[in-house]
Amino acid sequence: KAGVTQTPRYLIKTRGQQVTLSCSPISGHRSVSWYQQTPGQGLQFLFEYFSETQRNKGNFPGRFSGRQFSNSRSEMNVSTLELGDSALYLCASRLGGGPQETQYFGPGTRLLVL
Amino acid sequence: AQSVAQPEDQVNVAEGNPLTVKCTYSVSGNPYLFWYVQYPNRGLQFLLKYITGDNLVKGSYGFEAEFNKSQTSFHLKKPSALVSDSALYFCAVRDIMNYGGSQGNLIFGKGTKLSVKP
Repeated sequence: KAGVTQTPRYLIKTRGQQVTLSCSPISGHRSVSWYQQTPGQGLQFLFEYFSETQRNKGNFPGRFSGRQFSNSRSEMNVSTLELGDSALYLCASRLGGGPQETQYFGPGTRLLVL
Repeated sequence: AQSVAQPEDQVNVAEGNPLTVKCTYSVSGNPYLFWYVQYPNRGLQFLLKYITGDNLVKGSYGFEAEFNKSQTSFHLKKPSALVSDSALYFCAVRDIMNYGGSQGNLIFGKGTKLSVKP
């Protein structure tokens, strides 16, 4: 079974621009979560989508948004980019039914904001 | 609030020696604990998890972890380290406190860099 895929893998943007990242979960997984990883803050939870609905959100400004499609694929959007948004953005999927479930991570999208 | 702590930023071991990467947690209720490994420029790979039952959990690549409720610890171990085990290791707990049940996201420790020298 194919793993979680993320596109693009690398991205360079300038301040003020916006960016859209894409994530395709493992087949059959209905939950998709997004995390931001930076050297200073470590791994921080952004949001989780389940069956096209956001059911959980971390402590990030409204510039960070996401959505999920009927095929469980998810996109994350960051508007008005700031230098501090430079990070590795990780997507993870799981079946979505219980806290014991394992989340499987994609390779990440590395975003550099200049 | 639920949290995990990895007290060591870096652990150095010689190849062939046993390794331990430490993790302590603070949760209300039953903990759901996970270990992940991250190689350079890669995503996180799942190693093992503790849900309930046997305190010794066996995972991928020869890793195991010991759940200790009294010490609120979940240390990762391997009997004989390999150079290829050198990577960044993360301990995580499912945050079921604020959102309940399956809605809980993972809360990660800061990570421990494991360096295995030949």
